[in-house]
Amino acid sequence: SSELTQDPAVSVALGQTVRITCQGDSLGSYYATWYQQKPGQAPVLVIYGENNRPSGIPDRFSGSSSGNTASLTITGAQAEDEADYYCNSRDNSGNHVVFGGGTKLTVL
Amino acid sequence: EVELLESGGGLVQPGGSLRLSCAGSGFTLSNYATSWVRQAPGKGLEWVSVISGGGGSTYYADSVKGRFTISRDSSKNTLYMQMNSLRADDTAVYYCAKDRTGGPAGVYDYWGQGTLVTVSS
Repeated sequence: SSELTQDPAVSVALGQTVRITCQGDSLGSYYATWYQQKPGQAPVLVIYGENNRPSGIPDRFSGSSSGNTASLTITGAQAEDEADYYCNSRDNSGNHVVFGGGTKLTVL
Repeated sequence: EVELLESGGGLVQPGGSLRLSCAGSGFTLSNYATSWVRQAPGKGLEWVSVISGGGGSTYYADSVKGRFTISRDSSKNTLYMQMNSLRADDTAVYYCAKDRTGGPAGVYDYWGQGTLVTVSS
């Protein structure tokens, strides 16, 4: 089955830019989707498709991809962005979904 | 307003069974792919199963295939997960999640609040 790999933890200074990456073979065929999860809460969709934000997601969040690596970029990180971030995509079968292990973002 | 409300979680002994429900409102559940995603305590998200919109094709993670069954009742706009032969490693918060489309794309625009399943003797 497919796997998606994320760095376990990343930190960023308040107001600076941070990139969170997600690597996996399936990303050569399918877009990554990104979720933000804060403690005790359900995940929230932040980026999907080529680089689409749902209503209510600040425009400091953006997505990109290159080959088998997808990235979530936060430009001008805010204190409220401190959370766990997960990527997912379809797996190579196209019928299953696989999640990355998650990245804990700390805003310093 | 779209809402998903899970219920049915609880404490069950190893080898036991449980049925989770997820009541949808504000949208027609059978028009969209809907999934179960779980999160073990202190761990990451794990996709469990999906039922596609329309025809209702079903797919399962290898970890639950043959033990869990996903279904829906269109008249009640409700998603279900029948969980049999439960094991300790099935202990998790179970979320239902609505996909943006009818296919199992994994783009979940709405999530329920989650229901905790604990498998322990």
